[in-house]
Amino acid sequence: AQTVTQSQPEMSVQEAETVTLSCTYDTSESDYYLFWYKQPPSRQMILVIRQEAYKQQNATENRFSVNFQKAAKSFSLKISDSQLGDAAMYFCAYRSAANAGGTSYGKLTFGQGTILTVHP
Amino acid sequence: NAGVTQTPKFQVLKTGQSMTLQCAQDMNHEYMSWYRQDPGMGLRLIHYSVGAGITDQGEVPNGYNVSRSTTEDFPLRLLSAAPSQTSVYFCASRGLGTNEKLFFGSGTQLSVL
Repeated sequence: AQTVTQSQPEMSVQEAETVTLSCTYDTSESDYYLFWYKQPPSRQMILVIRQEAYKQQNATENRFSVNFQKAAKSFSLKISDSQLGDAAMYFCAYRSAANAGGTSYGKLTFGQGTILTVHP
Repeated sequence: NAGVTQTPKFQVLKTGQSMTLQCAQDMNHEYMSWYRQDPGMGLRLIHYSVGAGITDQGEVPNGYNVSRSTTEDFPLRLLSAAPSQTSVYFCASRGLGTNEKLFFGSGTQLSVL
């Protein structure tokens, strides 16, 4: 079974600065997807960024980028020019790309989450 | 387009009571699932379904039942609520293509006293 670990329960950053959230995972599969989700106080789960394991290029979405190290099984999220609206809980998640009789489709394995505080 | 709709948003139960959390999606998604979110544990999969009439257990299925009679609806039933089921519950759905995005409902905060 896959596991996802976020070792930073809480992080803080000054507005306009850069912060990196860490995530490691364990899997024996070679093809999979990795995600970062943001959960603001509204509780809504918002997809921030997605990485496909077969792509060596790191994904970017505006101020959000990842550092994907497949051999090290590491998937960190970098937030540049942090804004007050970035304050939230962030979850790293894993999904297998396999479809073994439909049993793995869509099943996400989540990390424990990191609470990000942004100071003005 | 409403997306994924969960009801109720909040619920308080007494130990031993039963209730059903409702989930509906209007995107014709084959895959639907229920997660629970607990502090320090992230979200954990309870049950999922890949189509009408097909359901399967996730990581933490004990104490919960599901059924999928239509593509649109995927209710989660607690037959005899326990304090350990106090949690935030999320329903999520997606199409079965590998590039399909997972859509989440807004969650249900459940407290069992």
